[in-house]
Amino acid sequence: KNEVEQSPQNLTAQEGEFITINCSYSVGISALHWLQQHPGGGIVSLFMLSSGKKKHGRLIATINIQEKHSSLHITASHPRDSAVYICAVHNTDKLIFGTGTRLQVFP
Amino acid sequence: DTGVSQNPRHKITKRGQNVTFRCDPISEHNRLYWYRQTLGQGPEFLTYFQNEAQLEKSRLLSDRFSAERPKGSFSTLEIQRTEQGDSAMYLCASSFGGSGEKLFFGSGTQLSVL
Repeated sequence: KNEVEQSPQNLTAQEGEFITINCSYSVGISALHWLQQHPGGGIVSLFMLSSGKKKHGRLIATINIQEKHSSLHITASHPRDSAVYICAVHNTDKLIFGTGTRLQVFP
Repeated sequence: DTGVSQNPRHKITKRGQNVTFRCDPISEHNRLYWYRQTLGQGPEFLTYFQNEAQLEKSRLLSDRFSAERPKGSFSTLEIQRTEQGDSAMYLCASSFGGSGEKLFFGSGTQLSVL
């Protein structure tokens, strides 16, 4: 069993839909990251959080430390949101990554 | 551009050859990480540096792999006697401070071993 599990693995949506991606982890963490990866490999950090909730534009990330679970929400999804979304946890001094959720948003 | 820079972007090599990749982190960042990513998978940790000191190496890093960060600035990752299984995207990331700090990623070096 992977230490960081994401669901779903693949997600398709119509433009405008509300999207949720889930992340569960089984190790102790100091922080959790949500990352966005576009084709070609470039990774951008969306959020880093250790408690509660953060919001940036149409993106919202929440974390429940007791349940070892985090969610990434995208409101009013747009085709440009199409990418792979990766959850990663900071365990000791290294990041442990989930396998990612591939999101495709169609117009 | 003051982001994390990786060179080359792509490398094609024959099995058995040695390859070296370079990563230039954001200048004030003291931590530098190397990750490897294969198709359809999330990145896997390889090693990281705090300034010039290599503090941790993954079991994934066989004796054929070596990484250096001689002056605490840029880093190199060398793979000796490459194998087809080494084909992957090699990603570098940097951060300022300890664990839990925001990471900045380079665009990666895509290695293909023929």
